[in-house]
Amino acid sequence: DIQMTQSPSSLSASVGDRVTITCQASQDITNYLNWYQQKPGKAPKLLIYDAFNLETGVPSRFSGGGSGTDFTFTISSLQPEDIATYYCQQYDNLPLTFGGGTKVEIK
Amino acid sequence: QVQLVESGGGVVQPGRSLRLSCATSGFTFTSFGMYWVRQAPGKGLEWVAVISSDGSKKYNTDSVKGRFTISRDDSKNTLYLLMNSLRAEDTAVYYCAKTTTNMIRGPLDYWGQGTLVTVSS
Repeated sequence: DIQMTQSPSSLSASVGDRVTITCQASQDITNYLNWYQQKPGKAPKLLIYDAFNLETGVPSRFSGGGSGTDFTFTISSLQPEDIATYYCQQYDNLPLTFGGGTKVEIK
Repeated sequence: QVQLVESGGGVVQPGRSLRLSCATSGFTFTSFGMYWVRQAPGKGLEWVAVISSDGSKKYNTDSVKGRFTISRDDSKNTLYLLMNSLRAEDTAVYYCAKTTTNMIRGPLDYWGQGTLVTVSS
C-alpha cells in the first residue's frame, strides 16, 4: 500500500497569511494526487486534482504543486472560511490512501 | 445539479448486517466509477470500496474483504454497500462519492452528506 505522510497535522495562522501543507508518498505516484477540504460535520470537497489543477469554482488562493513523491498545498491568503481539515489522497494505485489530515485554525 | 444521498445507516449489533444506499441524480450514472469512503469518529478518511462504471470491476479495502459488497443498480441510479458481519471498528460515517472517470481510479468530485453506522451491543 502507498503511505501518504501529511504535515503538519495542525497549524494556526492569521487571516491573510500564506499557509503551506506538505504530503509525501511512500513511492512515486507521478501526479495522481488530490487535495480535499473538510469542514466540521460536512463531506469532503475536492479542491485540487492531479497535483495542481484547480477544481471548478474553487478560489484561486488555493494551489497545489509537486510530482513523484513530494507535493504541496498552499493557501496564498488565509480567510476565515478556510477553517477546515485538509487531506491529500493518492489514486495511483489501490487501495486509495489519504494523508492523516491537517487541521487549519485561525490564530 | 449533481446530488448523492446516502441512507440506511443506524445502530446495529456486532455480527449483524446493514445495507447502505446512495441515490444519485444530476449526472449520467453509468458513466462514472463510484466509491464508498468512511470516517470513524474523530478520525481521517478511509477508502472502503469501489465499482467501475459498468460494474465489471469491484475492489474492497483489506479490512472489509469477504464482509462488504459494493454494487450498483443502473436502472435506479443507485449505489449500494452491503455490510455483513459488522464489527465495532466499522463504526463510522459512510460517504458515497463519484469519480471523474469511468475507471476505478480518479479524483472524487462529488460526495454525499454521509450516513452514520454505529456497531454496538
